[in-house]
Amino acid sequence: DAVMTQSPLSLPVTLGQPASISCRSSQSLLYSDGNTYLNWFQQRPGQPPRRLIYKVSNRDSGVPDRFSGSGSHTDFTLRISRVEAEDVGVYYCMQGTHWPYTFGQGTKLEIK
Amino acid sequence: EVQLVESGGGLVQPGGSLRLSCAASGFTFSNYAMTWVRQAPGKGLEWVSVISAGDGSTYYADSVKGRFTISRDNSKTTLYLLMNSLRAEDTAVYYCAKGWNGDYWGQGTLVTVSS
Repeated sequence: DAVMTQSPLSLPVTLGQPASISCRSSQSLLYSDGNTYLNWFQQRPGQPPRRLIYKVSNRDSGVPDRFSGSGSHTDFTLRISRVEAEDVGVYYCMQGTHWPYTFGQGTKLEIK
Repeated sequence: EVQLVESGGGLVQPGGSLRLSCAASGFTFSNYAMTWVRQAPGKGLEWVSVISAGDGSTYYADSVKGRFTISRDNSKTTLYLLMNSLRAEDTAVYYCAKGWNGDYWGQGTLVTVSS
């Protein structure tokens, strides 16, 4: 299985400051069709997960442009340019290239 | 507007069975793969099963293979998960999600396996 390792697991951030979460895969996530199926999800307290980013760097509809994704093959990053109070929650990376699909452990973002 | 509404969760004894449903609306259900993901209390996310559109190919996590069966009824725009031989470690909120990569999720239904 492709093991997804996130860091940090806890991320205290001051409002208005940037934040960055790293996600590393134990296998390349480049699929035979040329796409890299690395997604990012946000889970606010008491809510279901919501997809923010798909295929490394594509924002889903309605996702603020302060969220961005980058990376390739095995190393990926989610960046928030200026953290707002509504960004509090747990962030998961997820690979959809190799079955079984797998998630990272989650990174808990809190306001400092 | 895409809506996914799960139902069928509850308390079941170890070794028992349960069938979850996910009623979908707001998109052409038959055109999309559908997915079940679960989250144990206070834990992270686990991809459980996927069923493709078209030929209805199915995929399962090793942890549920042979015990769970995913299916769909395109005429009713409903996704199902039949769970047999339930174990305590199957206790979780079960979410259905649209597509291979979960672009929309339901609110989830809680399954508790306990005597």
